[in-house]
Amino acid sequence: AQTVTQSQPEMSVQEAETVTLSCTYDTSESDYYLFWYKQPPSRQMILVIRQEAYKQQNATENRFSVNFQKAAKSFSLKISDSQLGDAAMYFCASRELQSNFGNEKLTFGTGTRLTIIP
Amino acid sequence: NAGVTQTPKFQVLKTGQSMTLQCAQDMNHEYMSWYRQDPGMGLRLIHYSVGAGITDQGEVPNGYNVSRSTTEDFPLRLLSAAPSQTSVYFCASSHGTAFEAFFGQGTRLTVV
Repeated sequence: AQTVTQSQPEMSVQEAETVTLSCTYDTSESDYYLFWYKQPPSRQMILVIRQEAYKQQNATENRFSVNFQKAAKSFSLKISDSQLGDAAMYFCASRELQSNFGNEKLTFGTGTRLTIIP
Repeated sequence: NAGVTQTPKFQVLKTGQSMTLQCAQDMNHEYMSWYRQDPGMGLRLIHYSVGAGITDQGEVPNGYNVSRSTTEDFPLRLLSAAPSQTSVYFCASSHGTAFEAFFGQGTRLTVV
């Protein structure tokens, strides 16, 4: 069974600075995908970034990038030039690609609440 | 293209009442699932479906039923509401395992 751990319940960062959110995971599969989702106060779950485990190159999306360390099973999210609109709960999630059809679930961490200080 | 539509957004139930949370998607996704979100626990899978007529239990299925008669719809039924089912519920759909899940806006359910 896959597990996802986010050890930072809360983080804060000064506006325009850089912050890194940590995530570790455990899986027995060799093929899997990792995601970061953002949940602002509106409650909507929004995909921030996705990483395929077979790709060595770290994914980037504008100000968001990941540091994917497959051997260490680590998947941290870096937010550069933090903006007030980045304030949200951030969830790390993993999804295994299994040969047995039917077990397609996402496993989530417990989340990190990010506060942006003006 | 509405994505994933969940109704209602808010609901208050009395203990023992039943209700159905509706979920519909217009993206022709095979996979649909229901999660509940509780403080400090992230999102936990209740039930999921890999296609019409096929459903299976997730991590916390007790007290909930689902069915999938069409590709588009995946309702979640609470048979006899309990205070422990007070939570925020999310429906999600995806095209396949390699793709991200799209979420509905969530339903905040309070059972008194």
